[in-house]
Amino acid sequence: DAGVTQSPTHLIKTRGQQVTLRCSPISGHKSVSWYQQVLGQGPQFIFQYYEKEERGRGNFPDRFSARQFPNYSSELNVNALLLGDSALYLCASSLTGTALTYEQYFGPGTRLTVT
Amino acid sequence: DAKTTQPTSMDCAEGRAANLPCNHSTISGNEYVYWYRQIHSQGPQYIIHGLKNNETNEMASLIITEDRKSSTLILPHATLRDTAVYYCIVDGGGGGADGLTFGKGTHLIIQP
Repeated sequence: DAGVTQSPTHLIKTRGQQVTLRCSPISGHKSVSWYQQVLGQGPQFIFQYYEKEERGRGNFPDRFSARQFPNYSSELNVNALLLGDSALYLCASSLTGTALTYEQYFGPGTRLTVT
Repeated sequence: DAKTTQPTSMDCAEGRAANLPCNHSTISGNEYVYWYRQIHSQGPQYIIHGLKNNETNEMASLIITEDRKSSTLILPHATLRDTAVYYCIVDGGGGGADGLTFGKGTHLIIQP
């Protein structure tokens, strides 16, 4: 079975532009979470979606938004890009979005560079 | 979520057991201890989790103290491919609506 897939692998954008990152969860998984990882730090939680609804949101500005589609894939959108948005964006899928989910499966990430 | 404290880095010889400590003195009764690792340029990988009993799977063993204030992840026969950043996380159940809270982790370097 395929694991979590993310596209694109790498992306270079200019300050002020908008970007859309995509994620396909493991087949059968209904929950998708997004994380941002800047160099030298652990991943930081951005959003969790379950059954197409936002279930949780981390401490990120409104420039960050996401959505989940009926096939459980997800998109992360970032508007008005800042240099500080340069990071590895990770998507994780899990069976459910509720407690006792235990394991999250991470994709390889999308490396975003803002110049 | 409770905070965790881990050493910044550790070395271990190939073939030996790697013991990674984690302090989580403020853990609450319903919070699990999770371990993930992140090999360079890859996404984090789930290793193991536990509540209060010791746990073992094909990757590692997790030893949790009786008071649950600390734990140790044991890789029984470390290989070069185990070189990674290891994250100890406490959470109520898989990261739910608040996501998993990653710290900076321990950079484990396996020496040949």
